[in-house]
Amino acid sequence: QVQLQESGPGLAKPSQTLSLTCTVSGGSMSRGDYYWSWIRQPPGKGLEWIGYISYSGSTYFNPSLKSRVIISADMSKNQFSLKLSSVTAADTAVYYCARGGGAGHFDQWGQGTLVTVSS
Amino acid sequence: EVVLTQSPGTLSLSPGERATLSCRASQSLSSRFLAWYQQKPGQAPRLLIYGASNRATGIPDRFSGSGSGTDFTLAISRLEPEDFAVYYCQQYETSTWTFGQGTKVEIK
Repeated sequence: QVQLQESGPGLAKPSQTLSLTCTVSGGSMSRGDYYWSWIRQPPGKGLEWIGYISYSGSTYFNPSLKSRVIISADMSKNQFSLKLSSVTAADTAVYYCARGGGAGHFDQWGQGTLVTVSS
Repeated sequence: EVVLTQSPGTLSLSPGERATLSCRASQSLSSRFLAWYQQKPGQAPRLLIYGASNRATGIPDRFSGSGSGTDFTLAISRLEPEDFAVYYCQQYETSTWTFGQGTKVEIK
């Protein structure tokens, strides 16, 4: 069974760039019709989809975050990464990586990692 | 962007009771692209239902989903102690995903 694991700093400074990596195990990212996504959840609040990179390398982002987001992948390492620039306290959240299928649901999730934006 | 509105915000019930959660979309959706998740404190969401009515692998049959168009429902036939959690609906449309704001099912 595919497993996902987020990694990266738990603290980011305002105006700087938040960077996280998701490592996928138990299956190849480049096989199958999947959308490797980032989703976040501010403390005590709901879920927000950030964007995805597909098995073919195409990307798509939430329009509300598009100007600040880069998602890339290293298929040879079975990893994909998130960079969110110009962060503010509003970007403090638990960040999840997840696998989305062609039917539009997320069937596998990482455990999540809390990133706090603070000076 | 499709907006999903869940109701009620909180549902207070006792174990053994039936729970009915609503998810209303701002525009008509394909049922194929409507899913439900359960989230417990400190955990990632878990997929319960996809395609509006299909249970995910390992999900007990007390969970059921239904609906079409703009109105969708998640029902839990008899609440078990482990079912008290927050539930989210989610839709997919033209490469964009959105979630509802969640319904908390709490012990009465």
